[in-house]
Amino acid sequence: DIQMTQSPSSLSASVGDRVTISCRASQDISNSLVWFQQKPGKAPKSLIYAASFLQSGVPSKFSGSGSGTDFTLTISSLQPEDFATYYCQQYRSYPVTFGQGTRLEIK
Amino acid sequence: EVQLVESGGGLVQPGGSLRLSCAASGFTFSDHYMDWVRQAPGKGLEWVGRTRNRANSYTTEYAASVKGRFTISRDDSKNSLYLQMNSLKTEDTAVYYCARVYYARSTYFIDYWGQGTLVTVSS
Repeated sequence: DIQMTQSPSSLSASVGDRVTISCRASQDISNSLVWFQQKPGKAPKSLIYAASFLQSGVPSKFSGSGSGTDFTLTISSLQPEDFATYYCQQYRSYPVTFGQGTRLEIK
Repeated sequence: EVQLVESGGGLVQPGGSLRLSCAASGFTFSDHYMDWVRQAPGKGLEWVGRTRNRANSYTTEYAASVKGRFTISRDDSKNSLYLQMNSLKTEDTAVYYCARVYYARSTYFIDYWGQGTLVTVSS
């Protein structure tokens, strides 16, 4: 199975900051990566697919990059509604696997 | 508007069975692969399995942790997805989400999620 490792596991930031979350795959997954946002008690929401393409309706403050084994999610100009847990997921091969999540908290 | 509504969750004893349903609307259900994903209380997301569409013979994939115990099926005439869970264990306790799989750029990935249904396995 492909292991997905996110860093950091948690992150404190202030409104207006720009933050970056990393996701590393245990083997080459090309660009087969999705980023999700999940708020407490809610279903996840898809943000980015194919590592760098924004899902419809997602604001451009979210961006993704990377290929192969190393990927990043960047969120610019943080707003209160952006504080949530973020997950990466690879869909290069079965079983589909998720990172452990990065909890983004308000400083 | 894409909508996915899960139902059928509840309390079940270890070794028991439960069948979850997911009612889909707002898109052509029969065209899409569909996934089940779960989340244990306070934990991260775990992919459970996938059913492909009719064009791909409704074939399925499962996580090792549920293979042989869980079965994913669908009824395109009812726009519904199902998860039959047998031989349930306490570690199967989780919120279960159904999710639509979208095809773009030569790959398949989740783009919409339901709100989830809680399954509690306990004596």
